[in-house]
Amino acid sequence: SYELTQPPSVSVSPGQTASITCSGDKLGNKYAYWYQQKPGQSPVKVIYQDDKRPSGIPERFSGSNSGNTATLTITGTQAMDEADYYCQAWDTSTVVFGGGTTLTVL
Amino acid sequence: QVQLQESGPGLVKPSQTLSLTCSASGGSINSGSYYWNWIRQPAGKGLEWIGRINTSGSTKYSPSLKSRITISIDMSRNKFSLELSSVTAADTAVYYCARDEDIRAASVGFDPWGQGTLVTVSS
Repeated sequence: SYELTQPPSVSVSPGQTASITCSGDKLGNKYAYWYQQKPGQSPVKVIYQDDKRPSGIPERFSGSNSGNTATLTITGTQAMDEADYYCQAWDTSTVVFGGGTTLTVL
Repeated sequence: QVQLQESGPGLVKPSQTLSLTCSASGGSINSGSYYWNWIRQPAGKGLEWIGRINTSGSTKYSPSLKSRITISIDMSRNKFSLELSSVTAADTAVYYCARDEDIRAASVGFDPWGQGTLVTVSS
């Protein structure tokens, strides 16, 4: 079965750039999606179809996807961005989620 | 803006069937090229997609759960449902419902999500 691999944790200083990766076989040939989940809350879509940002999502969130890796980039990270982030893709009509990355802003 | 709300028993005995309903408000479930999904998350763990249904009643299920899942839709009541049979403690999780949409044959991702409901499997 298809797998998406994320680092368990990423740390960033406030105002700096955070990059969260998601790796999968030929992931660049699929669309990648990213969700933010804060403690006790439901996930929120922050990037869809690799690099599209839903309305209401700050411009500091961006995405890219090429080769075997999709990347979520947060430019000028703020304390409010501290959360778990999950990547997601479709493979043979099945949804696959990455294991999630905890972003710590310190 | 459609809102989703899960409901159902919070406690299910092992070997029994877990039944949940997702009610949509603020919009019709029978509109657009929408797909209605179930996703779950064990405590402290990641997200797992369970399956989805569209307004034609066509379903897709996770291969790992396929033998135990039934997802149905009731457009007259603006809701869709999940049944998961032969549950064990491993099925204990927060269960979310979420909408997906295909635009030009490509998913735009899950949005919105319900608030989630905790289901515990225990005797």
